[in-house]
Amino acid sequence: QAVVTQEPSLTVSPGGTVTLTCGSSTGAVTSDHYPYWFQQKPGQAPRTLIYDTGIKHSWTPARFSGSLLGGKAALTLSGAQPEDEADYYCLLSYSGPRVFGGGTKLTVL
Amino acid sequence: QVQLQESGPGLVKPSETLSLTCAVSGFSISNGFYWGWMRQPPGKGLEWFGSIDHTGSAYYNPSLRSRVTISVDTSKNQFSLRLSSVTAADTAVYYCAREGEGYWGQGTLVTVSS
Repeated sequence: QAVVTQEPSLTVSPGGTVTLTCGSSTGAVTSDHYPYWFQQKPGQAPRTLIYDTGIKHSWTPARFSGSLLGGKAALTLSGAQPEDEADYYCLLSYSGPRVFGGGTKLTVL
Repeated sequence: QVQLQESGPGLVKPSETLSLTCAVSGFSISNGFYWGWMRQPPGKGLEWFGSIDHTGSAYYNPSLRSRVTISVDTSKNQFSLRLSSVTAADTAVYYCAREGEGYWGQGTLVTVSS
């Protein structure tokens, strides 16, 4: 089974920009992995921010964007807000089975 | 608005089978998409169990495949998870979700304990 890797933790200053990445043990992440990005705050269910690499949900703030970068899926946050402090998970599809990354704990400080 | 709601026992004894149902409203399962189950042990990350479509075509997590069954009931607009031979390590919040745009249920805590 593939292993999906994310940075365990990142810190960003309020108003700053940060990029979270999602890599695959099988090689480069492509649009055929249909990358998802989820945000989870303490005590809450995960919420989808991005699907199919870069498509935003109706509730996704404009400051979040998804892309492919250097063989990985990427979630970029431009203009971080205190309420963006949360855990972020990516999910990749492998022609059937899906695999979550281990998650990134994002601190806004 | 697509809504999903998990239901089932909050406490299951070791070695027994955990059974959960996800009721869907605001969208007919027969209209498409894959419908999945995930879990999150306390303080840990998310784990994907498997996904199923309205025809019953399913994909499973290989590491859990021997213990997991996911089924769909289009007449009730719901789908279900069965996890056999549970242990304390299966204690987690269990979530159901619709793929595509990614709609999630609120999750239900299942504790495995005698």
